[in-house]
Amino acid sequence: GDSVTQMEGPVTLSEEAFLTINCTYTATGYPSLFWYVQYPGEGLQLLLKATKADDKGSNKGFEATYRKETTSFHLEKGSVQVSDSAVYFCALGTNAGKSTFGDGTTLTVKP
Amino acid sequence: DTGVSQNPRHKITKRGQNVTFRCDPISEHNRLYWYRQTLGQGPEFLTYFQNEAQLEKSRLLSDRFSAERPKGSFSTLEIQRTEQGDSAMYLCASSLEGGLAHEQFFGPGTRLTVL
Repeated sequence: GDSVTQMEGPVTLSEEAFLTINCTYTATGYPSLFWYVQYPGEGLQLLLKATKADDKGSNKGFEATYRKETTSFHLEKGSVQVSDSAVYFCALGTNAGKSTFGDGTTLTVKP
Repeated sequence: DTGVSQNPRHKITKRGQNVTFRCDPISEHNRLYWYRQTLGQGPEFLTYFQNEAQLEKSRLLSDRFSAERPKGSFSTLEIQRTEQGDSAMYLCASSLEGGLAHEQFFGPGTRLTVL
């Protein structure tokens, strides 16, 4: 079945550091890939998405590229801020309807 | 606000009691999903509807769980004879069939605590 494996956390960085959170997936067919973010006390919000191989999703300075050859969708940001502290979830979605999520990576950014 | 709404936001119940949660999706969305999220894990799929038809149920969904979407709009998730292991956040999401990238929009969740 479909699965998503995320880099284990927690991740602690200083402000303005470079961020990478690794995500790899296993899926039948051609999934769409997503990163969701969950800020403390809030619900899941879509951060960015990519629908096909080599697509790059981007939002709020975050980027991720759909790599079919390595079945990966790593999240990157060049300079993190304290306000980026949150839990980040990688997910895939298919025509079958449901989405499959990774276990989340907690990011803490210190000033 | 035209996002996904869920009620109640919090529910505390005693073991053995029945509970029911409600989800109101984005009005034009014909697909509705239920997920369960426990601490330290990502959301796990429970079931989903396309209009009023329940198209898929996870093996996680025991016989004590039932979901309905009678008119293809709001949905309810009922848990009978609750157990402490049912304590979790229950998330609802909605989407358009064939919508861009199968993107799902999530509600704020209902946090269930079973004592």
